[in-house]
Amino acid sequence: DTEVTQTPKHLVMGMTNKKSLKCEQHMGHRAMYWYKQKAKKPPELMFVYSYEKLSINESVPSRFSPECPNSSLLNLHLHALQPEDSALYLCASSLEPRTLTFFGQGTRLTVV
Amino acid sequence: KQEVTQIPAALSVPEGENLVLNCSFTDSAIYNLQWFRQDPGKGLTSLLLIQSSQREQTSGRLNASLDKSSGRSTLYIAASQPGDSATYLCAVISGNTGKLIFGQGTTLQVKP
Repeated sequence: DTEVTQTPKHLVMGMTNKKSLKCEQHMGHRAMYWYKQKAKKPPELMFVYSYEKLSINESVPSRFSPECPNSSLLNLHLHALQPEDSALYLCASSLEPRTLTFFGQGTRLTVV
Repeated sequence: KQEVTQIPAALSVPEGENLVLNCSFTDSAIYNLQWFRQDPGKGLTSLLLIQSSQREQTSGRLNASLDKSSGRSTLYIAASQPGDSATYLCAVISGNTGKLIFGQGTTLQVKP
């Protein structure tokens, strides 16, 4: 199983809503990542979790709040987002940092 | 600061052609380099990973080479097919965190 599963696939939310994106992998990977991808641009790193601890926050606004409940799950909690936050949010994982990275299919987020 | 550049930005070829996609990076102190494929609106599919100590990797019709000293990698696709149409992204890992730094991508169209 070389799959990273993200839910939901699509999400439309208002600027006052609270929602969560979920990511799951069962490959025994100990590093998990959130990337953000705007249209026609490459993915940009948001957060890195290594062994369930947050190791990197790329100066992401506090309206994005990551959580790693266990080694298989990664959440991204969203609150008071802006329309410019609309993007494809990609979860990824790797056995260790700096090893082969696998991506999920992404959540297409639209903020209205 | 590591910067990754991909040339060309777009490429259109007839089916059956062999083709080369280029990737360059400014800081040769990389740990590894990965090539990904992305279909429109989808996540990233890992194609090949080359460790910094390696010169090339092959998978089926794909061959990726790495010249770390000159800061270059190429992805060679043999006997291209319409199903190869996608955006191809290269990404390098330089530090300890597992952060992937992506190029802007090459959008490939293979015409039947």
